[in-house]
Amino acid sequence: NAGVTQTPKFQVLKTGQSMTLQCAQDMNHNSMYWYRQDPGMGLRLIYYSASEGTTDKGEVPNGYNVSRLNKREFSLRLESAAPSQTSVYFCASSDRTRSTDTQYFGPGTRLTVL
Amino acid sequence: GENVEQHPSTLSVQEGDSAVIKCTYSDSASNYFPWYKQELGKGPQLIIDIRSNVGEKKDQRIAVTLNKTAKHFSLHITETQPEDSAVYFCAASRSNFNKFYFGSGTKLNVKP
Repeated sequence: NAGVTQTPKFQVLKTGQSMTLQCAQDMNHNSMYWYRQDPGMGLRLIYYSASEGTTDKGEVPNGYNVSRLNKREFSLRLESAAPSQTSVYFCASSDRTRSTDTQYFGPGTRLTVL
Repeated sequence: GENVEQHPSTLSVQEGDSAVIKCTYSDSASNYFPWYKQELGKGPQLIIDIRSNVGEKKDQRIAVTLNKTAKHFSLHITETQPEDSAVYFCAASRSNFNKFYFGSGTKLNVKP
């Protein structure tokens, strides 16, 4: 039981390049999330998916797209990377249909955009 | 939307002392308040949470208190140990609502 996994762990991009961050969970959770973490700003929600087939914007969605490929996988795409997207990205999952609201986080992807 | 403020941003205590981290929130509809611990190079991990129908919850050396009227909640760590050194985040949300709002984090340093 690996929990939430993310690939890659590190990535360096040039301005204008595109890339997809991958996330997978093996806990059979309905909800999945993408956050970015910047120094002094905590975690900010980019997009979330309440269930397979649905996605919704969070606080900071501009410049990103997401795909909920199936119940296990939720990917985040940067179509044209900008230096302002340099950050650490975390994927999380939870099962909010139950009484527990616990979010389980992956280990993160550290992205640098030059 | 919700706004969560967290203080202090850094906290240094001696091993064995207590540590208190405070958060305030703005949305009176928020009713779920988790606390996360993030160790260096890792993702945040839930350590304790509280719902708005209770005022206090304890789990060994960790406790959380909630004041709904004042819209603030606090994390209390007693008998701190060096392994408690980490960044702690508070968050606020509504049950069955998928948006979590996080505080800016507190870096706790426990000196041996």
